[in-house]
Amino acid sequence: KAGVTQTPRYLIKTRGQQVTLSCSPISGHRSVSWYQQTPGQGLQFLFEYFSETQRNKGNFPGRFSGRQFSNSRSEMNVSTLELGDSALYLCASSPQGPLHNEQFFGPGTRLTVL
Amino acid sequence: SQQGEEDPQALSIQEGENATMNCSYKTSINNLQWYRQNSGRGLVHLILIRSNEREKHSGRLRVTLDTSKKSSSLLITASRAADTASYFCATDGEYGNKLVFGAGTILRVKS
Repeated sequence: KAGVTQTPRYLIKTRGQQVTLSCSPISGHRSVSWYQQTPGQGLQFLFEYFSETQRNKGNFPGRFSGRQFSNSRSEMNVSTLELGDSALYLCASSPQGPLHNEQFFGPGTRLTVL
Repeated sequence: SQQGEEDPQALSIQEGENATMNCSYKTSINNLQWYRQNSGRGLVHLILIRSNEREKHSGRLRVTLDTSKKSSSLLITASRAADTASYFCATDGEYGNKLVFGAGTILRVKS
C-alpha cells in the first residue's frame, strides 16, 4: 500500500499571502488529521476530518482551515500568512475512527514565511 | 497544549546499550502511542498501548504503562546508530483521533 503523501514538500511564501497544502491518505483510510510542528511549540493538533466532516479542532485561529473530499484527500489552507506560521505541517491518516487510533504520517510540508 | 512530557529531553548512548525514555501525562487516556521522527521528517508509529495493558513488546522495543502514575516508558534494547532520532509519546484526547504530543526525547546513538 502506498503511504500518506503530502504536496508540496517545500513552500516559501511572504507575509500576507495564503497557502494550500494537500494530503492524500492511505487507501481506505477515512480519517485525516493535520498537525503543526515548530521548534518552540512542538507538535500541535490542527484539525481532524472524517468522511468529509471536521470532527475535531485544535486551538488555532480561523486563518487555518481545511476540508476533506469524497475520496478522503484533504487540504488545509492558511490565509494572511504570518512569520510565526513557518513550520513543518504534517498530516496523518487512520482507518476509521476512535477505535483505530494508530496514525500514519506523511513526510510533511515545510512552509517558510518571509 | 502538550499533555505528555518526555524525560530526559536528550539522551546520548553508545551503540549496543539500552535506551530508556519516560513519558508522563495529566488526564485519563484510552491509549498511549510512541512515535519516532528522523531529523524533521514525518513521524513513524512505533507502538500503541491501551489503558488496560501494562506492557507491550515489538522487536527491540518494550513499552510499559502505569495508569495509576500516569506514566509510560519506552525501552530500546541493543541500540543501533540508526535509532538516532526524536521520540515522542502521544495520548488520545477525549474523543476521536486527536493526539496530544509531548515535547520529545532526542536520542543519539554513537557508533
